[in-house]
Amino acid sequence: EPEVTQTPSHQVTQMGQEVILRCVPISNHLYFYWYRQILGQKVEFLVSFYNNEISEKSEIFDDQFSVERPDGSNFTLKIRSTKLEDSAMYFCASSDIRNRGTQYFGPGTRLLVL
Amino acid sequence: QKEVEQNSGPLSVPEGAIASLNCTYSDRGSQSFFWYRQYSGKSPELIMFIYSNGDKEDGRFTAQLNKASQYVSLLIRDSQPSDSATYLCAVGANTDKLIFGTGTRLQVFP
Repeated sequence: EPEVTQTPSHQVTQMGQEVILRCVPISNHLYFYWYRQILGQKVEFLVSFYNNEISEKSEIFDDQFSVERPDGSNFTLKIRSTKLEDSAMYFCASSDIRNRGTQYFGPGTRLLVL
Repeated sequence: QKEVEQNSGPLSVPEGAIASLNCTYSDRGSQSFFWYRQYSGKSPELIMFIYSNGDKEDGRFTAQLNKASQYVSLLIRDSQPSDSATYLCAVGANTDKLIFGTGTRLQVFP
């Protein structure tokens, strides 16, 4: 069964450093998302992406964040200058054009900012 | 502020019993409703979605939606210890994002 994949599974970085989290969505899906979950808290929407542009973003998704689809398969989230409070699980999700709201999540990247 | 509310639990049920998980939402414009299962340290796994008022059954799972009461529930029949997890209710309106509740922790004991 096709699934969303994410790399790396864990990332440790120093405050102020840039990180890039990578995702490969399900192959026939056209809508892509990033969510985050701070330890012990709820899953929060960051951004959605369709047709090579951001379709919606939350207030969390400030100028430190950016997303890109650099090729036909990868979808990336870049955090330009990480802060301690960026430590969280970051989940990529995707959905297809017929069932846009039905989002399938990847295994996540655990980001720890020291 | 659009909210999705769930009782954090834990909800403890014996093996073989029916587990009933509940969720309320604040946005009357909500159109799609999802239940995800999340094991500790893992990602949300989609188990049910429902768009229309009433019941929707899939194996041991039944989702129930009442838009007038802004209420959605998940019933798990014949609960198994492997069902022990946190169940996340998520709601979509006419936008891309899903709004998640904090989740209800379910414990099924043998």
